[in-house]
Amino acid sequence: AQRVTQPEKLLSVFKGAPVELKCNYSYSGSPELFWYVQYSRQRLQLLLRHISRESIKGFTADLNKGETSFHLKKPFAQEEDSAMYYCALRGGNTGKLIFGQGTTLQVKP
Amino acid sequence: DAGVTQSPTHLIKTRGQQVTLRCSPKSGHDTVSWYQQALGQGPQFIFQYYEEEERQRGNFPDRFSGHQFPNYSSELNVNALLLGDSALYLCASSFMTENTGELFFGEGSRLTVL
Repeated sequence: AQRVTQPEKLLSVFKGAPVELKCNYSYSGSPELFWYVQYSRQRLQLLLRHISRESIKGFTADLNKGETSFHLKKPFAQEEDSAMYYCALRGGNTGKLIFGQGTTLQVKP
Repeated sequence: DAGVTQSPTHLIKTRGQQVTLRCSPKSGHDTVSWYQQALGQGPQFIFQYYEEEERQRGNFPDRFSGHQFPNYSSELNVNALLLGDSALYLCASSFMTENTGELFFGEGSRLTVL
């Protein structure tokens, strides 16, 4: 079965501390993985995708097929990073995204 | 560009009633997907419409149906409402041939079933 698991509902860190939002997935083939973010009073939007291998707003994520993980990392958290983060999987050439339950990141001053 | 727009933003229905939610995609997009987001959960895929046809469907009963119009806008219909249908319904649009996996979401329609 295709599944995305985000084990932490809430992650609270201080400004300047490193951040790692965990994401594990279950998929038998070669998935595409994404991180979506929802800032307060804004709509859900794409943060980054694994195939782009890009850094967005200082965030990076590496697909680890051996551990079936796609953790989101940032070396120094900023207060404006506070948001809800969703990991999502797309299996095959489909339009369907499977989302995890989301992790709320709270960056304290 | 207003992006993806959805209406209504909030609505309250009673069990057994029917509801229609509407979505206008981002300018230039031809594909519309619908997601249900229950409280405290991630969005769950309902179905996707392209060229006025349902292309993919998630694990939702036939009470959930949709439509896409020639101007690419879409409707989600839910019949015989249950208490468990209370959720935020998100519409997302994309451009089929880009196939990047990036979806542009609306702000959602919050449905409460009493």
